[in-house]
Amino acid sequence: DQQVKQNSPSLSVQEGRISILNCDYTNSMFDYFLWYKKYPAEGPTFLISISSIKDKNEDGRFTVFLNKSAKHLSLHIVPSQPGDSAVYFCAAFTGNTPLVFGKGTRLSVIA
Amino acid sequence: DAGVIQSPRHEVTEMGQEVTLRCKPISGHDYLFWYRQTMMRGLELLIYFNNNVPIDDSGMPEDRFSAKMPNASFSTLKIQPSEPRDSAVYFCASSLAVVLAKNIQYFGAGTRLSVL
Repeated sequence: DQQVKQNSPSLSVQEGRISILNCDYTNSMFDYFLWYKKYPAEGPTFLISISSIKDKNEDGRFTVFLNKSAKHLSLHIVPSQPGDSAVYFCAAFTGNTPLVFGKGTRLSVIA
Repeated sequence: DAGVIQSPRHEVTEMGQEVTLRCKPISGHDYLFWYRQTMMRGLELLIYFNNNVPIDDSGMPEDRFSAKMPNASFSTLKIQPSEPRDSAVYFCASSLAVVLAKNIQYFGAGTRLSVL
């Protein structure tokens, strides 16, 4: 039973446009959420995070939004660049527990 | 710091052989994690250690899998005997802690295992 779900396996976006990656979770106890980015033949790298006490966190072109009532978070990339093409993983945790990862969404930014 | 270092990067072996994957975590990190990535199941947590002690191995698929952390700078994941369905990419990660912002895990580049 998946506690963190990324329902879109892939997404294609035109360069310069906004990319929106979505993530849903089932465990209402999760209190911290992270996004990781993974290039081929490399390990995932941390991108951005958000605590459950916030509803938005921004870092340059990347913004994460959290909707606790809907148990939903999203990652917005504006503007999208070809170098953003990668697999994006959503992760969450509560208390002193390890991260729970979604299965990932492959983003392709087309020039 | 050089980051999390895994070896080998690629491993090709025959069914029934023993496979040992190695990991050196980031110095000062108290937690070490082993993951397996497959298309079907995504990133699965196999086992994690705190200060060299295994905390949760409920993700280890079978008794054929074992993991050790003899000291703070080294861990191994062993599969004996290996089977074709073990073919996957295995990642090691480390973190300072598992609370709030300290629960950011840093991953190695992974070991791609192919069991023929």
